[in-house]
Amino acid sequence: EPEVTQTPSHQVTQMGQEVILRCVPISNHLYFYWYRQILGQKVEFLVSFYNNEISEKSEIFDDQFSVERPDGSNFTLKIRSTKLEDSAMYFCASSGAGAGFEGYTFGSGTRLTVV
Amino acid sequence: GQSLEQPSEVTAVEGAIVQINCTYQTSGFYGLSWYQQHDGGAPTFLSYNALDGLEETGRFSSFLSRSDSYGYLLLQELQMKDSASYFCALRTGSARQLTFGSGTQLTVLP
Repeated sequence: EPEVTQTPSHQVTQMGQEVILRCVPISNHLYFYWYRQILGQKVEFLVSFYNNEISEKSEIFDDQFSVERPDGSNFTLKIRSTKLEDSAMYFCASSGAGAGFEGYTFGSGTRLTVV
Repeated sequence: GQSLEQPSEVTAVEGAIVQINCTYQTSGFYGLSWYQQHDGGAPTFLSYNALDGLEETGRFSSFLSRSDSYGYLLLQELQMKDSASYFCALRTGSARQLTFGSGTQLTVLP
């Protein structure tokens, strides 16, 4: 079964450092997303990406965040200057663009710890 | 904005049927999804209701009533492996983004 692959699985970084989280969505999917989940809390939408541009973003996705699809397979989330409150599990997801909505496929996540 | 409410915890015994409710407030949405999450792992898609009524997928069924701003997930013939967190999520926006509820921790007892 097709998978969404995320790397690394764990990332520890010092406050103020830049981090890049990487994702390989399912190859024939056209919508890509980043979500985050602070420990014990709900999953929160960060950004959606379609046709090589951001289609929607949440209030969380401020100027410290950016996304990129540098080639035909990778989808990255960059946090420019990490803060303690950025510590969370970050999930990448993708979905198709068919007329029906078959749901997302999520990756296994990157656990980001900012110290 | 959108908000969704679910019970924080539900407990049931193996073999039983359990219903997890979800009420929501929104100005508009495309449909209601359900996801399962084990121990903080990847959320897994279970079901999606675009229209009112019942959707059945194996042991899982999901229901939506737009007039009541209410939906539920029904799990039948509970198994120990069903112990997990279950999230309802509204699909909003043309970009298909989801707004998640806070999740319901289901514990299945032997």
